[in-house]
Amino acid sequence: EAGVAQSPRYKIIEKRQSVAFWCNPISGHATLYWYQQILGQGPKLLIQFQNNGVVDDSQLPKDRFSAERLKGVDSTLKIQPAKLEDSAVYLCASSPRGGQAYNEQFFGPGTRLTVL
Amino acid sequence: AQSVSQHNHHVILSEAASLELGCNYSYGGTVNLFWYVQYPGQHLQLLLKYFSGDPLVKGIKGFEAEFIKSKFSFNLRKPSVQWSDTAEYFCAVNGGGSYIPTFGRGTSLIVHP
Repeated sequence: EAGVAQSPRYKIIEKRQSVAFWCNPISGHATLYWYQQILGQGPKLLIQFQNNGVVDDSQLPKDRFSAERLKGVDSTLKIQPAKLEDSAVYLCASSPRGGQAYNEQFFGPGTRLTVL
Repeated sequence: AQSVSQHNHHVILSEAASLELGCNYSYGGTVNLFWYVQYPGQHLQLLLKYFSGDPLVKGIKGFEAEFIKSKFSFNLRKPSVQWSDTAEYFCAVNGGGSYIPTFGRGTSLIVHP
């Protein structure tokens, strides 16, 4: 089966600019996650969707970050405006079922963002 | 707040050496535990997981991990590493009815041939 797709793979922007990342999960996966991974740290969850509803966005900096999954399939994460500290790899992951804490997550390749 | 500690940030071994990577978590309730691996240039992928039953869990590529509830630990082991095990290893935990996983900061393993 095809894996989780993300684009772009790399993005370089200047601070205060806007940027958007796209994720297409594995077909049929109900749950979609966006993570931020800063160099030298583990992934930190930003937002979790189940179908097209938000399950948890408590760690999403909502003054500048937004995410949507309008049709319960692919998702977009946006940063507006970007700050230097947003430089990180943004990972998308999906799980086959919602409501299962022991679900394995399948990760995409990530988007490496550099903010200058 | 739940936290996950991986004490070894960088580990360098020779082939055939034994490996043990530490993982400790702070949450005291029912937990689900995972080890993920990221090989150079590849995606994060699941190595093994524990959610109930036998506390000794076997994963892919000869890896295993033991859940010791009294020590809040879930250490990863492999008796004899190979050069191809060079990768970043992440421990992750969720629990208490929350599906939100908390990841450790990762351990970079380099295996010399």
